Amino acid sequence: EVQLVESGGGLVQPGGSLRLSCAASGFAFSSYWMHWVRQVPGKGLVWVSRINSDGSSTTSADSVKGRYTTSRDNAKNTLYLQMNSLRAEDTAVYYCTRDMRATLGYDAFDMWGRGTMVTVSS
Amino acid sequence: QSVLTQPPSVSGAPGQRVTISCTGSSSNIGIGYYVHWYQQLPGTAPKLLIYADNNRPSGVPDRFSGSRSGTSASLAITGLQAEDEADYYCQSYDTSLSGSVFGGGTKLTVL
Repeated sequence: EVQLVESGGGLVQPGGSLRLSCAASGFAFSSYWMHWVRQVPGKGLVWVSRINSDGSSTTSADSVKGRYTTSRDNAKNTLYLQMNSLRAEDTAVYYCTRDMRATLGYDAFDMWGRGTMVTVSS
Repeated sequence: QSVLTQPPSVSGAPGQRVTISCTGSSSNIGIGYYVHWYQQLPGTAPKLLIYADNNRPSGVPDRFSGSRSGTSASLAITGLQAEDEADYYCQSYDTSLSGSVFGGGTKLTVL
């Protein structure tokens, strides 16, 4: 089955760290750029970061730059988001998404996981 | 506020046509970057609805269509159905931010 499954969310104190994982299956993971998108419950979607297909290049939103690190292990078909120095405003559902430029050349997100909830609170 | 501007809400009766606008600037839509649209049903992950301005992924009904002009884009839904009630988001790339950007989202209510 073609799917993305996030894990690693939970409750963490302000200033703490958390690592999210996104396990991919059913497609050639190593061919695709991947992104993280977050959503505060009841609010809109916010792009967080992206990584290219071989992991050699990453880009992040200014709000997380210097605190979040995006990486991947193509041998394990897994995407990661290392989150440090967490703040209350980082509380959100975090989705991993697949970028369709590998197939059709467009930077739309054609596959989404179900998301994992991260709560930053004391 | 979001880099791309959408109306917070739109509504329409079953069978009617509604449009949702997405207004950007010269650093994203206006410079030629494609616009993509997503549908998010309550309690679920977003789903790609329209890509590259006006293309539908397999399985998306032709009641959904997109367009882009200048610094704006629009999503049109014809023959409105109760199951279309959802949140809709536009997305593009912003060269000033060097990353993807989303609109704030529009809640569609089917009356």
